[in-house]
Amino acid sequence: EADIYQTPRYLVIGTGKKITLECSQTMGHDKMYWYQQDPGMELHLIHYSYGVNSTEKGDLSSESTVSRIRTEHFPLTLESARPSHTSQYLCASSRSGGPIGTQYFGPGTRLLVL
Amino acid sequence: DAKTTQPPSMDCAEGRAANLPCNHSTISGNEYVYWYRQIHSQGPQYIIHGLKNNETNEMASLIITEDRKSSTLILPHATLRDTAVYYCIVCGTASKLTFGTGTRLQVTL
Repeated sequence: EADIYQTPRYLVIGTGKKITLECSQTMGHDKMYWYQQDPGMELHLIHYSYGVNSTEKGDLSSESTVSRIRTEHFPLTLESARPSHTSQYLCASSRSGGPIGTQYFGPGTRLLVL
Repeated sequence: DAKTTQPPSMDCAEGRAANLPCNHSTISGNEYVYWYRQIHSQGPQYIIHGLKNNETNEMASLIITEDRKSSTLILPHATLRDTAVYYCIVCGTASKLTFGTGTRLQVTL
């Protein structure tokens, strides 16, 4: 089993609040990813990082931002939450040198913005 | 990365083999076929991957046709816990996964 953690698991918050979703992995993986998934819908890549101080936007445009100051930590921030941000956010990681498509996923954070 | 086509849903009786097909007719020579599954909106779980040879691990077998244009994931003895959405993904050198809609497998008693 992969060691990748996300907190909180569930978050209900009011419009306009700033939120940070945490993602940490203890495997020393260089690459980390954030996906967004609405209920019953496809996963979409919104951010990824190939190492410390490296972040890129994914295939789906998102108002969130990410940072990668430490290898093991890849937090996602929404400066001002809106109801349209309601979704599930999934974090994943993979190691350089391993099979390029093998990613380990966390349990996800379900966000509800009222 | 090449696009994949999967049936939207399948049923399988518990204890029987579940054979999940995937078409990837535009796959290129350096692209791998990956399979993931997602159980009830949990984080996706890696199952298996292959390039051109058939592969087997403790979870499943992957059969890739000789022309590499299609593949089949085989769960040899499906259980109720295998009920999930199964994603077939073709992945090249960019290491970014593109998840489609997958196949919803329902295992029944």
